[in-house]
Amino acid sequence: NAGVTQTPKFRILKIGQSMTLQCAQDMNHNYMYWYRQDPGMGLKLIYYSVGAGITDKGEVPNGYNVSRSTTEDFPLRLELAAPSQTSVYFCASSSDGGARGYTFGSGTRLTVV
Amino acid sequence: EDQVTQSPEALRLQEGESSSLNCSYTVSGLRGLFWYRQDPGKGPEFLFTLYSAGEEKEKERLKATLTKKESFLHITAPKPEDSATYLCAVRDNQGGKLIFGQGTELSVKP
Repeated sequence: NAGVTQTPKFRILKIGQSMTLQCAQDMNHNYMYWYRQDPGMGLKLIYYSVGAGITDKGEVPNGYNVSRSTTEDFPLRLELAAPSQTSVYFCASSSDGGARGYTFGSGTRLTVV
Repeated sequence: EDQVTQSPEALRLQEGESSSLNCSYTVSGLRGLFWYRQDPGKGPEFLFTLYSAGEEKEKERLKATLTKKESFLHITAPKPEDSATYLCAVRDNQGGKLIFGQGTELSVKP
């Protein structure tokens, strides 16, 4: 049972480059979330989805984009990477809108130089 | 605005030295308070959910309690393997999103 799988685990980008962070879950969860975690700052919500075809902005969406074409996948797109996007990114999913907590992936550590 | 504040930011304990972590929150209509454990380089791992004041949950050396304004994570006779960052979060009433505190980094020395 894989749970939530994130790829890649590490990535270095140059300023202005673009990339997609992949997230896949095999638990048939409708709800999926993208968070970023900066040192001492906790987890901040970037985007979330309540089902295939439905996405909405979280607290810090600027510079990011998402799509949800299937229940399983929720990729996060970074356009024109900036140093401020250096962070650890976590994808999470839940079956019930978070009532029993989330299942998190292991994260992607991104550095923009 | 919903807000979660954890204290202390860091806590160093000797093995066997019991203590508590605090999570203060302001939210319009609490729909759950969550505790997670996060080990270095890994994603958060779910520990507990509390829903109403007076509720308590226990797991091994950990006990979580909830009042109307805060939650405590009590650690009894901790061991080095309890060293981790402990995150608190509240669930809002719009889409079930979790709002996290900044975490408490716990270090337990043998």
